[in-house]
Amino acid sequence: RKEVEQDPGPFNVPEGATVAFNCTYSNSASQSFFWYRQDCRKEPKLLMSVYSSGNEDGRFTAQLNRASQYISLLIRDSKLSDSATYLCVVNSGGGADGLTFGKGTHLIIQP
Amino acid sequence: NAGVTQTPKFQVLKTGQSMTLQCAQDMNHEYMSWYRQDPGMGLRLIHYSVGAGITDQGEVPNGYNVSRSTTEDFPLRLLSAAPSQTSVYFCASSYLGQGETQYFGPGTRLLVL
Repeated sequence: RKEVEQDPGPFNVPEGATVAFNCTYSNSASQSFFWYRQDCRKEPKLLMSVYSSGNEDGRFTAQLNRASQYISLLIRDSKLSDSATYLCVVNSGGGADGLTFGKGTHLIIQP
Repeated sequence: NAGVTQTPKFQVLKTGQSMTLQCAQDMNHEYMSWYRQDPGMGLRLIHYSVGAGITDQGEVPNGYNVSRSTTEDFPLRLLSAAPSQTSVYFCASSYLGQGETQYFGPGTRLLVL
């Protein structure tokens, strides 16, 4: 079975701090990678795709390490509004059932 | 655009009852899917469709039926509800399938007594 593993947390982080969390995946043939954000009692929304060379979007940086089969998300200068659950999503291809969702990492930014 | 809409938002059923969860999208996406989300579990795929008239099973299809008569609509039917089907159900759509951005509906919270 394809597995995507995340530390469930919660990560309690003071406002303004930098926080990072990782996600590991078991299928070495995985093709594409994403971070989704899910607020409490809401639907998941795409935060960012993760590219082989790494990518940055404002305060958010995503990295992919294919050799060790993990992806990471770094949040700088954290805001109260960053409090959410962050889902790691891996696409192993093979058609429409190729997406595997991690269980999520719960982040709480404290004032 | 309304995006992906789902009805109802909440539903309570008794064991053995049947119901249909509605999902519609106005983005002309070919691909639509249904997931369930349970505490401590990742989102799990129930059924999906790559276009009108085409459906297929996901990871956890038992107890559910789907149909796709139009591009816009993808209803999920619970044939005979069981307490194990208590969950939050999300419908999602995208242009090209799993590799692309999935747009999720707001979810339906279902409690089966």
